[in-house]
Parts: sequence; structure tokens; C-alpha cells
Amino acid sequence: AQSVTQPDIHITVSEGASLELRCNYSYGATPYLFWYVQSPGQGLQLLLKYFSGDTLVQGIKGFEAEFKRSQSSFNLRKPSVHWSDAAEYFCAVLIYNQGGKLIFGQGTELSVKP
Amino acid sequence: DADVTQTPRNRITKTGKRIMLECSQTKGHDRMYWYRQDPGLGLQLIYYSFDVKDINKGEISDGYSVSRQAQAKFSLSLESAIPNQTALYFCATSDYRGAGADTQYFGPGTRLTVL
Repeated sequence: AQSVTQPDIHITVSEGASLELRCNYSYGATPYLFWYVQSPGQGLQLLLKYFSGDTLVQGIKGFEAEFKRSQSSFNLRKPSVHWSDAAEYFCAVLIYNQGGKLIFGQGTELSVKP
Repeated sequence: DADVTQTPRNRITKTGKRIMLECSQTKGHDRMYWYRQDPGLGLQLIYYSFDVKDINKGEISDGYSVSRQAQAKFSLSLESAIPNQTALYFCATSDYRGAGADTQYFGPGTRLTVL
């Protein structure tokens, strides 16, 4: 069955520190992968996506993610976190033979300490 | 102006009432989706539509119905609301590019509370 797992429900980092949010997926075909961010009271904003090609993808707001097929992972990283990055982050895989629906992970809530 | 809008943004209603949530988009996308978000569960797909005449059930369609009035409009209805339908509801659209390479864009969400 297709699934996405985000092992960390909540992470706290200090402002200026590096960040890595983990995402593991289970999908039998070539995965199309996404990271979205949801700020408090807001909708979901697309951070970045992986369809094919270079396994290191760059996104908005200084985020990047690396696709590792051998580990079924698509971890999100940022070298220096800003207080405005505090939000909930969702990893998702596209199931394109079922209407293009997204399967989401449970989300990781990021808190940033001053 | 936002590309994907949802109305209302917040709604409180009572058990048994009929509720309609509306979604409009100006992105010109054919595909539209309704998801619900519950804490700790991520988002789950309720219904999706490829075009005006093509509507499909998602993972959790029981208790919901939809209407695709036009390419730009996709409404979600709760015929008889119950408390466990209290959730945050998102509409999304996608730009189908073939070979499954869609990207979905989300509206701001509607927070629904059923008392």
C-alpha cells in the first residue's frame, strides 16, 4: 500500500541552526514527491517537488530536499532556520494512476527558539 | 487576488444541518480536489474531479457529496453534518502535464465545526 511517513511529529531548533525533516515513502512505481508548508491559519504552500532528474531539488525560502531511492526517503533541509520558518511541514507522494491524488504524511510541526 | 479561493473560511453549524463549502479557481486548471485535515492525520482525499463531467470518490467520501458547476467551481456538501466531520477542509487544483506529473495548489482552507 502507498504511504508516507514523517517520523518526527514535532521538532524544535534554534534560530540559525540547520534543519532536517525526515520523510519516507512506500510506493511501487517512480515516485513524484512534494513538500508543503502550512503556516498557522494558512493553507498549504508548495515548497518544492521532485519529478525526475537531479535528486537534489531546490525550493523556495532556502529549502532543499534530496531524493534517495535506495532509502525511500525525501528529506527536507535548510542550512539556517529563521523564526518565520515555524510552521507545519507535510511530505506527500503523488499517486498518478489514481486520479493524481496526493498521499500525505502526518506532518511535522517545527518550532524555532530565539 | 488568490488563485484558489474557498468560502466560507470558518463555519459553525449544528448536527443534522446541510452545509455547502465552495471553491473557485482562476488558474484555469481542469483538475480539482477536496481534502480534509485532521490533527495528526495529514490530509485525506474526499473527492476529485478531472473535469465537469468526471467526478470520483476519494478515500473518505462517505457523508459527503460534490458538484462541479463549471471548470472553475467545485463545491463540497455535507448533507447532514455530524460532529466527527469537524475538520479543516482544503480545495486544490492541479495542472496536469501528462505522465502523472501534476502539481497541486491549495486554497486557504475552511474550518468547519459541527456541534
